[in-house]
Amino acid sequence: DGGITQSPKYLFRKEGQNVTLSCEQNLNHDAMYWYRQDPGQGLRLIYYSQIVNDFQKGDIAEGYSVSREKKESFPLTVTSAQKNPTAFYLCASSKGLAGVSYNEQFFGPGTRLTVL
Amino acid sequence: KQEVTQIPAALSVPEGENLVLNCSFTDSAIYNLQWFRQDPGKGLTSLLLIQSSQREQTSGRLNASLDKSSGRSTLYIAASQPGDSATYLCAVRGPNAGKSTFGDGTTLTVKP
Repeated sequence: DGGITQSPKYLFRKEGQNVTLSCEQNLNHDAMYWYRQDPGQGLRLIYYSQIVNDFQKGDIAEGYSVSREKKESFPLTVTSAQKNPTAFYLCASSKGLAGVSYNEQFFGPGTRLTVL
Repeated sequence: KQEVTQIPAALSVPEGENLVLNCSFTDSAIYNLQWFRQDPGKGLTSLLLIQSSQREQTSGRLNASLDKSSGRSTLYIAASQPGDSATYLCAVRGPNAGKSTFGDGTTLTVKP
């Protein structure tokens, strides 16, 4: 089955720890995204990557870091500098940016991060 | 800066009703608009994608329209069913094609 997987489903972090959320896709998509969702709210963009070895900050990048070493993978690290990391994190991908028709986004099942 | 608003925040209807969900955006310079469904604790499922040059898209009981000049999109759901109960979000992709702006969603409850 083609799709996007995220792991773990639930993650608990102690204050001061860095944690890494995994996102893998087998859709052969070039573009990948990380969003944060807080209760009752829409999604806010953290980082996005249009191609391997390249990524850009979104609207709320402070306290987060990413890498894009492989086309299939776009891990997100939540660092201790992120003041309020408790949220639902969603990874998405799209075929690419070359041409409007490629811009449909597909989402993974999400990771719920809780700071203890 | 693009802002996306979805009104109402919550909607409850009896089964079988036809209904309309609204999405408005402030900047009409968009590439496309996408409607999603989200069940509690789950990821987003893509429902419909409307390109900036299109006026509407249809999939089964769903019909989405786009009026760029007025900054509005509607999602029409025909003959609603309890299984349609979920939160519906719209997302607008702007000239910076890597970024989408999401509304806060409308939570729909369809009562049997």
